[in-house]
Amino acid sequence: DQQVKQNSPSLSVQEGRISILNCDYTNSMFDYFLWYKKYPAEGPTFLISISSIKDKNEDGRFTVFLNKSAKHLSLHIVPSQPGDSAVYFCAAYDGAGSYQLTFGKGTKLSVIP
Amino acid sequence: DVKVTQSSRYLVKRTGEKVFLECVQDMDHENMFWYRQDPGLGLRLIYFSYDVKMKEKGDIPEGYSVSREKKERFSLILESASTNQTSMYLCASSLMVTGWVYEQYFGPGTRLTVT
Repeated sequence: DQQVKQNSPSLSVQEGRISILNCDYTNSMFDYFLWYKKYPAEGPTFLISISSIKDKNEDGRFTVFLNKSAKHLSLHIVPSQPGDSAVYFCAAYDGAGSYQLTFGKGTKLSVIP
Repeated sequence: DVKVTQSSRYLVKRTGEKVFLECVQDMDHENMFWYRQDPGLGLRLIYFSYDVKMKEKGDIPEGYSVSREKKERFSLILESASTNQTSMYLCASSLMVTGWVYEQYFGPGTRLTVT
């Protein structure tokens, strides 16, 4: 059973526009969420995170929104740049002494110049 | 600067061989993890370790074992490699402080091909 779902395998966006990547989760015990970015032939790099006590976290061009009632989070990238083209993974901790991150399957973002 | 290194970027092995993948981190992290990444399946946890000589099974431990003799080093062992273990293997590490959550830092990955 997939507890973290990224339902869009791919997304294409024009340079300068907004990219919105979505993530849904089913486990109500999840209380900390992270986004990772991965280029081909490289390991994932941490991008931004959000705790369940917040509904928004911003870091430069990247903003993560959390809607706990809908069990939904999204990553907004504004403005999108060609260097943002990568696979983005959503991940979650249940925080109850667990060290295990649960990852979604990823969304491949292509930013078109 | 945070650093997780993996012993090989690319590896080709034959079916039935014993394969060792090594991971070293220089951040004094307690937690270390092994994942595999396959197209359309995302990252799946194989094993993790929260202390020296301690290990826990992840979601897909079958066909794998691990070893953690020193805090900075975590090894993944394929006892008898099979073609369905052809994959990208990623090692990660993180701090562990009770009541806090820390992001995991990943190595560059090892692309393993079993023929």
